[in-house]
Amino acid sequence: DTGVSQDPRHKITKRGQNVTFRCDPISEHNRLYWYRQTLGQGPEFLTYFQNEAQLEKSRLLSDRFSAERPKGSFSTLEIQRTEQGDSAMYLCASSSTPTGGWNTGELFFGEGSRLTVL
Amino acid sequence: QKEVEQNSGPLSVPEGAIASLNCTYSDRGSQSFFWYRQYSGKSPELIMSIYSNGDKEDGRFTAQLNKASQYVSLLIRDSQPSDSATYLCAVNKVDAGGTSYGKLTFGQGTILTVHP
Repeated sequence: DTGVSQDPRHKITKRGQNVTFRCDPISEHNRLYWYRQTLGQGPEFLTYFQNEAQLEKSRLLSDRFSAERPKGSFSTLEIQRTEQGDSAMYLCASSSTPTGGWNTGELFFGEGSRLTVL
Repeated sequence: QKEVEQNSGPLSVPEGAIASLNCTYSDRGSQSFFWYRQYSGKSPELIMSIYSNGDKEDGRFTAQLNKASQYVSLLIRDSQPSDSATYLCAVNKVDAGGTSYGKLTFGQGTILTVHP
């Protein structure tokens, strides 16, 4: 396991359909993040997990979005009833926190899942 | 005011020159600062991190941090065409209790073009 992997890399769907993305973090990393990036913008934070617990969700994450990390390993991000405005690159990142330590914030990103909603 | 601001560019420099990229942030509680490089269609790649005031050098890259001015910069010496990419500045905040969760706030990125 040499990095964060995401699947699928590309998804084209019709408006109103549901889509699910999967992220496998670096194996020893306990924190997992989802970001969204649109063209010409920096990544925007969506949510993050420490182990299996979802600790924070952005206001950007509407009720149509749900994320899980059931066993503290891989994570899924589901978007229900997709809209054209959901078209973006969905980036997963992971990091590790030293025991009793302070998370430096160094994130390692996967290659992303590009969503196109027609 | 955006939390993290960068000049979107594009910044064009000749090969071999120094490229200077700038970033300002609004939250004085910010503790960690990062520069990510992103090639077109690819994901961000961490190239520099800096946590205290001053300069930090790594090869051709130097990050500079001035917390009083809420300013962080990246210098790329001897720029190469392969350095052409978008450079993202990112900031890690802490909560009221001083705990960092590793949640980054990114600027919009500066497009750098190095021409031969």
